[in-house]
Amino acid sequence: DAGVTQSPTHLIKTRGQQVTLRCSPKSGHDTVSWYQQALGQGPQFIFQYYEEEERQRGNFPDRFSGHQFPNYSSELNVNALLLGDSALYLCASRQGQGHIEQYFGPGTRLTVT
Amino acid sequence: AQSVTQPDIHITVSEGASLELRCNYSYGATPYLFWYVQSPGQGLQLLLKYFSGDTLVQGIKGFEAEFKRSQSSFNLRKPSVHWSDAAEYFCAVGPVMDMGRRALTFGSGTRLQVQP
Repeated sequence: DAGVTQSPTHLIKTRGQQVTLRCSPKSGHDTVSWYQQALGQGPQFIFQYYEEEERQRGNFPDRFSGHQFPNYSSELNVNALLLGDSALYLCASRQGQGHIEQYFGPGTRLTVT
Repeated sequence: AQSVTQPDIHITVSEGASLELRCNYSYGATPYLFWYVQSPGQGLQLLLKYFSGDTLVQGIKGFEAEFKRSQSSFNLRKPSVHWSDAAEYFCAVGPVMDMGRRALTFGSGTRLQVQP
């Protein structure tokens, strides 16, 4: 049973560029959340997707957007990259919106130069 | 707004010694409570969780945590630390109500170093 998978593992981008990160949830899970973890910090909630719609959003600008596909996989898009967007981006999935326990993927390390 | 405080940024213990990592939360009601562990370059692994009932919860790898409502605390403990326990530990809270909004709020983490 595959857990949460994310791609790519590492990514280097230049300021002003756009990036897309991908996440496949754990088998049987239909709800996906994205978190940003800056160096030396705890993860911060970006947004959550369920039934292909954004259901909850944290305190992040509109440059951060997402998508969920019919197979429950998800993408995180960040436009106009800033140096401060450098972080580990974690995807978490769970079974149903009401379920509280979340399973995290290994993350994508984004470096903006 | 909810918040989680982990007062200890960095803790060093000797292998075989006991461990306690502190976590305090601020929330409107008793939330769901979690401890996660993160090894270098890795994602988060759930150690244990508290939803309700017995305030002493057991987790994986020999960890336990005690929920104290009066102190708004959920401290993580282990009686004997192994070198492989060296990692970053995060306390997190999640809402009990509002089933559609299950975002977790994390503390800033405690880095555990284990001396031989």
